[in-house]
Amino acid sequence: EVQLVETGGGLIQPGGSLRLSCAASGFTVSSNYMSWVRQAPGKGLEWVSVIYSGGSTYYADSVKGRFTISRDNSKNTLYLQMNSLRAEDTAVYYCARVGVVVAANAFDYWGQGTLVTVSS
Amino acid sequence: QSALTQPASVSGSPGQSITISCTGTSSDVGGYNYVSWYQQHPGKAPKLMIYEVSNRPSGVSNRFSGSKSGNTASLTISGLQAEDEADYYCSSYTSSAWVFGGGTKLTVL
Repeated sequence: EVQLVETGGGLIQPGGSLRLSCAASGFTVSSNYMSWVRQAPGKGLEWVSVIYSGGSTYYADSVKGRFTISRDNSKNTLYLQMNSLRAEDTAVYYCARVGVVVAANAFDYWGQGTLVTVSS
Repeated sequence: QSALTQPASVSGSPGQSITISCTGTSSDVGGYNYVSWYQQHPGKAPKLMIYEVSNRPSGVSNRFSGSKSGNTASLTISGLQAEDEADYYCSSYTSSAWVFGGGTKLTVL
């Protein structure tokens, strides 16, 4: 059974840093495309970043230069390093698997999300 | 990376059909057959309902269907049921990035 579990959220001051983790089970992270999607309170979904199986990474303009997506193949875990955090980064952050062969370029499995609150 | 355009809300009675539109550009919806739709109940993670414009994942009811014409994609839910009440989001792939719609709140009257 595919499962994604995010951890690492919390309250952080503006300008601070936080690292989110997403532990996967039931499939191999390094063989798949993996993404982060966020949702500000009461707002819609916003794509944040993707890491392809080959290691290439891409970011939304709103986080480029501040956020870094990575993975640890030995731990089958996805990460999102968030630096220079701003109030507008406050959101629930979801990790999601991106389909490649089946459900291509769709987010076919999602974690439960972790809340990041940026406030002084 | 501008958001796709969806109506803020739609409503229908049990048993009826509703359609939610999702309008983008030739760079996203119109340029790729990688439109997907997600259902989100309050406090829950999104759930994939339609992928590649019109395909349903295993386990999703055949009451849900998708289509696309030009730069606009559509999600149709037939035989509305109370449990269909939720927020619905469209998404499109667009050259190593993704864009979502603003979301549509479906109310089952």
